[in-house]
Amino acid sequence: NAGVTQTPKFQVLKTGQSMTLQCAQDMNHEYMSWYRQDPGMGLRLIHYSVGAGITDQGEVPNGYNVSRSTTEDFPLRLLSAAPSQTSVYFCASGGQINYEQYFGPGTRLTVT
Amino acid sequence: DAKTTQPPSMDCAEGRAANLPCNHSTISGNEYVYWYRQIHSQGPQYIIHGLKNNETNEMASLIITEDRKSSTLILPHATLRDTAVYYCIVSPHISSGSARQLTFGSGTQLTVLP
Repeated sequence: NAGVTQTPKFQVLKTGQSMTLQCAQDMNHEYMSWYRQDPGMGLRLIHYSVGAGITDQGEVPNGYNVSRSTTEDFPLRLLSAAPSQTSVYFCASGGQINYEQYFGPGTRLTVT
Repeated sequence: DAKTTQPPSMDCAEGRAANLPCNHSTISGNEYVYWYRQIHSQGPQYIIHGLKNNETNEMASLIITEDRKSSTLILPHATLRDTAVYYCIVSPHISSGSARQLTFGSGTQLTVLP
């Protein structure tokens, strides 16, 4: 049971490039979400999903797209990277009856 | 609007109890208090949650005041590995559609001193 995994661990992009951050969980959790954390700040919710085929926006969705075709995977796409998207990105998952959410180790993204 | 208020930093001697306060004066009746911690830029880790009764698990105890406007997370015997940022979060019951959308503030940086 690997929990929540995220790839890559580190990424450097140039302004305007696109990329996909991967997130996978093996706990059969319905709920998955993406957060970003800027230096010295708390986490902010980008997008979330309550099940395969269902996604919704969080607090800071602009510049990001998500889709959820399977229960296990919830990729986050940066359409055209900007320096303001330099951050650490965390993926999380939670089950239907558990209050606890499990977070992945994060992806550290730098946009130059 | 910040839903919780926490001190930015606290120190605690190793082996002593760490008491982390949280103010949530605008909490509504269906909102729970959750605590997570984040050790050195790792992903946050769930600690405990409660509604109105005191709760205890293998990691910590949660004391919620009778009026529910504040709470205290207690780490009974702090170790150096408990050095982390601790987040107090209020969120609706799990049956609510918004229950999973955690709003993280700045948290409290707890430093456990040897």
